[in-house]
Amino acid sequence: AQKVTQAQTEISVVEKEDVTLDCVYETRDTTYYLFWYKQPPSGELVFLIRRNSFDEQNEISGRYSWNFQKSTSSFNFTITASQVVDSAVYFCALSDNAGNNRKLIWGLGTSLAVNP
Amino acid sequence: GAVVSQHPSWVICKSGTSVKIECRSLDFQATTMFWYRQFPKQSLMLMATSNEGSKATYEQGVEKDKFLINHASLTLSTLTVTSAHPEDSSFYICSARSVGGQGALRLSNQPQHFGDGTRLSIL
Repeated sequence: AQKVTQAQTEISVVEKEDVTLDCVYETRDTTYYLFWYKQPPSGELVFLIRRNSFDEQNEISGRYSWNFQKSTSSFNFTITASQVVDSAVYFCALSDNAGNNRKLIWGLGTSLAVNP
Repeated sequence: GAVVSQHPSWVICKSGTSVKIECRSLDFQATTMFWYRQFPKQSLMLMATSNEGSKATYEQGVEKDKFLINHASLTLSTLTVTSAHPEDSSFYICSARSVGGQGALRLSNQPQHFGDGTRLSIL
């Protein structure tokens, strides 16, 4: 069965600190996709990244970076020089390989508070 | 690109009222739309998967007669909460996956794009 674990329920940092959000997943599929979404206090979900299981290259997008390691089944997300606007709940998700519907298996989310 | 519009953004109504929430993909076609429910400080809970032109697939424990889903076109899915009661108060979010890719990869790797959600409060 697929499962996504975000062990950090809440993280609080001071602005400009670097912060890493952990995501560990379980799946028996050889082909799968991993996602990160951001949910700010206003509630909308913002897509951040999609990574397929065959691409283990780390990705950097501005202050955001992602470290995908199949050996440890982890897909961690790092925010460098955090800002107050980064305060949000961040969800890691895994795509289900059942048919074409591709349901997402969600982690419970990590609430990040960046304090000035 | 890949904008999903969800309407209304919030609803307050009396117990017993039926409430319809619309989810539209504005700049792409979506054969599959998803409906989620989110309780405060909790993760998203998938309620149902909606496929254009066919019946929705409901997750275990979700009442089909309570939460009616219609996916009449490639750009519109609706969720109707029938005879809503206070326990139905929640944040409802839809998402849509664009049609993309070719052959076996079709639909296989398109991310879900989310609407802004609907806050439903039943008095």
